[in-house]
Amino acid sequence: DSGVTQTPKHLITATGQRVTLRCSPRSGDLSVYWYQQSLDQGLQFLIQYYNGEERAKGNILERFSAQQFPDLHSELNLSSLELGDSALYFCASSKKLAGGPNEQFFGPGTRLTVL
Amino acid sequence: GENVEQHPSTLSVQEGDSAVIKCTYSDSASNYFPWYKQELGKRPQLIIDIRSNVGEKKDQRIAVTLNKTAKHFSLHITETQPEDSAVYFCAASEDSGGSNYKLTFGKGTLLTVNP
Repeated sequence: DSGVTQTPKHLITATGQRVTLRCSPRSGDLSVYWYQQSLDQGLQFLIQYYNGEERAKGNILERFSAQQFPDLHSELNLSSLELGDSALYFCASSKKLAGGPNEQFFGPGTRLTVL
Repeated sequence: GENVEQHPSTLSVQEGDSAVIKCTYSDSASNYFPWYKQELGKRPQLIIDIRSNVGEKKDQRIAVTLNKTAKHFSLHITETQPEDSAVYFCAASEDSGGSNYKLTFGKGTLLTVNP
C-alpha cells in the first residue's frame, strides 16, 4: 500500500458522459500527478498540481481538467467521453524536497471503461 | 520534450538467469531515472532509481547503470525468480523548476521468468 488512495476503482459509463476521478495523496505530500495508461500509448503524464496550483501539463485533452483542493486531494474531470478515453488513470504523489525530482508513489488506479 | 525509448518490449528468461532492460532518453537536462515494476492490474511500484550524479546503484539483485554521455540507462536483475515476472518501466525526469518533476515513461518491458 503506497498511501495514495483513488476512487472509484472501476467506472463504466457511456460516450458523451462526464466523470470525476478522485485522488488523495500520501500524508504530507504536496504534489499530485495524474497519468493515463492505455495499451497503445503506455503511461502518459497528464497534469501536475503542487499545493493547490497547476504546475505542469502534459498530453491532456481540453475535455479533461483537474484541480487540487486545500486539503490536497485532487480530482480529474473527464467530459464528453469517447471510446478512446477508456484507460487506467493513476495519480501519484510526492513530497517537495530540495535536490530535485524524487520518488512518486502511485495510487491503485481507476479503470475507466467507456461504452 | 523528453522522449524515452525502452528495449526489449518482451524478455523471457530462465529462473536464475540475468535480465537486462535498456532505455535511452533524449533530453540532456533529465537528471532522475526511476524504474517501476507493474504487475497485472496493479499500480507501478518503484524498484530502484538513480540520479545523474551517480553512475551505478545496486540494491540486492537489482542494479541500474547510467551513461550520461550516451544518454542511456539500464536495469540489471540477477538470479531472476518467477516473482520477478511483471512489466518494467523506465522513466526520466528533470528538475525544470517550480517543483515540476513529471515522469516520461518508456513503453515497458514484459519480463517472464520461466521456472
